[in-house]
Amino acid sequence: GAGVSQSPSNKVTEKGKDVELRCDPISGHTALYWYRQRLGQGLEFLIYFQGNSAPDKSGLPSDRFSAERTGESVSTLTIQRTQQEDSAVYLCASSLVRISGTSSAKNIQYFGAGTRLSVL
Amino acid sequence: AQTVTQSQPEMSVQEAETVTLSCTYDTSESDYYLFWYKQPPSRQMILVIRQEAYKQQNATENRFSVNFQKAAKSFSLKISDSQLGDAAMYFCAYRSADGAGSYQLTFGKGTKLSVIP
Repeated sequence: GAGVSQSPSNKVTEKGKDVELRCDPISGHTALYWYRQRLGQGLEFLIYFQGNSAPDKSGLPSDRFSAERTGESVSTLTIQRTQQEDSAVYLCASSLVRISGTSSAKNIQYFGAGTRLSVL
Repeated sequence: AQTVTQSQPEMSVQEAETVTLSCTYDTSESDYYLFWYKQPPSRQMILVIRQEAYKQQNATENRFSVNFQKAAKSFSLKISDSQLGDAAMYFCAYRSADGAGSYQLTFGKGTKLSVIP
């Protein structure tokens, strides 16, 4: 697609429910990233996918959070048993390829518009 | 771990004037990259400008330029001839050049820029 697409744009859920957020990266981008942005804060790294390699899950805040990506396509971020502190904007980004040590145009992260999650 | 600090939660500028947004960072690495992203109300993060730490020359993109002071670990953004469309949150971000964290962006908390007509 022309850009990174995320759905839904907004999600309201009740505490304790599971939610699934979707990210559709730019076509051909092998790397995909999830970030969380709490109100008034910068972005926090959550998880990173690169091709078929094992993802880097080091930023996931708890075992209630998980993410999947099949190949170089769509990714889903799942939050189980949501809590009020999970309320945030969840942003997805993709880049063409990860080349260690370069800031070339291939490694620039392009962001979607995010999903605003509100847990009541 | 690297940290990025933006000490100005809010700034305002008159249309057509110049404004400078501050950013400092803390790192023990010698090679890294710095970025300024813009986030309008639409929420989509847009890359404004980037700087490679090994380059002494400050990056410039049209009305946007940076003042990169490596020794002081400072990376400020200057917006010249400010336009109404420049109103947004601006985030400073750091990325390692190599190693385990070289794909993660570490962000500051942002500066909200208002442009006064």
